Amino acid sequence: AQTVTQSQPEMSVQEAETVTLSCTYDTSESDYYLFWYKQPPSRQMILVIRQEAYKQQNATENRFSVNFQKAAKSFSLKISDSQLGDAAMYFCASGARGSYIPTFGRGTSLIVHP
Amino acid sequence: DTGVSQDPRHKITKRGQNVTFRCDPISEHNRLYWYRQTLGQGPEFLTYFQNEAQLEKSRLLSDRFSAERPKGSFSTLEIQRTEQGDSAMYLCASSPARDQVYFGPGTRLTVT
Repeated sequence: AQTVTQSQPEMSVQEAETVTLSCTYDTSESDYYLFWYKQPPSRQMILVIRQEAYKQQNATENRFSVNFQKAAKSFSLKISDSQLGDAAMYFCASGARGSYIPTFGRGTSLIVHP
Repeated sequence: DTGVSQDPRHKITKRGQNVTFRCDPISEHNRLYWYRQTLGQGPEFLTYFQNEAQLEKSRLLSDRFSAERPKGSFSTLEIQRTEQGDSAMYLCASSPARDQVYFGPGTRLTVT
């Protein structure tokens, strides 16, 4: 069984600044994926970034990067140079490579102030 | 590739009625998932298909819920004798393999 915990219900950031969203997870699997998904107010969820657990190098996608601490089971998302369009709900998710059914956290609402 | 589509986008029904939702995955995606999302929560897994085979069902999926994926293409989710607690966003997602899932826009169900 997998669990994903997002302890920050809401975060806010000024436009152009940097914000970090926290996520911890628990899994008994040795091979798994981790994801951050974004759900804008229109509610269609899109993938922001993914990390394969066996890779030590932290994933980056343009202004988005993760800090993956496998021993601590921590997977935080850093958004640099925040933009108004980054305002959304952000969900952390994990999926075991074997069964591959992603489990999601409760989400963090990101507010971006102009 | 037009993405995952769901129909209808919104459904209002009276308690006790049956409803059916449809999901069309991205073509050639062999994995299809149904999730339920309530306000302020993350998506909760309901069931998963690989091709036409339903491989896993959550305990959330009571006997009133049934899902099918005939011929391994589109899928339907039926809720019988709806209850107010069934009000939620029902999300469908598909995946080509052991990879990220691609979500549809969801069907918002309101049970009055």
